[in-house]
Amino acid sequence: DGGITQSPKYLFRKEGQNVTLSCEQNLNHDAMYWYRQDPGQGLRLIYYSQIVNDFQKGDIAEGYSVSREKKESFPLTVTSAQKNPTAFYLCASSIPGQDVSEAFFGQGTRLTVV
Amino acid sequence: AQSVAQPEDQVNVAEGNPLTVKCTYSVSGNPYLFWYVQYPNRGLQFLLKYITGDNLVKGSYGFEAEFNKSQTSFHLKKPSALVSDSALYFCAVRARQGGKLIFGQGTELSVKP
Repeated sequence: DGGITQSPKYLFRKEGQNVTLSCEQNLNHDAMYWYRQDPGQGLRLIYYSQIVNDFQKGDIAEGYSVSREKKESFPLTVTSAQKNPTAFYLCASSIPGQDVSEAFFGQGTRLTVV
Repeated sequence: AQSVAQPEDQVNVAEGNPLTVKCTYSVSGNPYLFWYVQYPNRGLQFLLKYITGDNLVKGSYGFEAEFNKSQTSFHLKKPSALVSDSALYFCAVRARQGGKLIFGQGTELSVKP
């Protein structure tokens, strides 16, 4: 089945630690996105990538980093510089250059700082 | 600046009654409009989208949405609500000139038996 896989589903991190969230897709989509979801705030864009080896900051990129070495993979690292990392993180993909295309989402990773 | 507003944090409906979840947007030109649904601790599922043509768009699970250009709205509707429709609903917009997919803050729909 084609889709987007995020892992792990739940993640706990100690303050001061970096942690990496995995996102893999087999939809052959070039564009991939990371969103952060907080209650009552909707989805906010962290980073996006339109093609391999290229990515751009979204609205709330501070404290996060990404890489795009393979078309299928777009991992997100939450660094210790992110002041309030506890949130639900969603990865998505779409067909670039086609604004009519809807985004396809993974099942999310819930990150909790302990 | 582009924006999407969902004016109601929560909508309560009795099962069998019609439901409406409201969405208004501010985007230059004619945008592409989307509705997604999210169940607890899950990702977003695509429901429907407006690209062009007929202002009434039909989507998954019996949902439909009406595009109103003069009111810059894209309200989600269903003639007869089910308890299983209870979830968080997001409206999203993308400008035709390209750009990011921008989401509203979400509306919690609660359908009671």
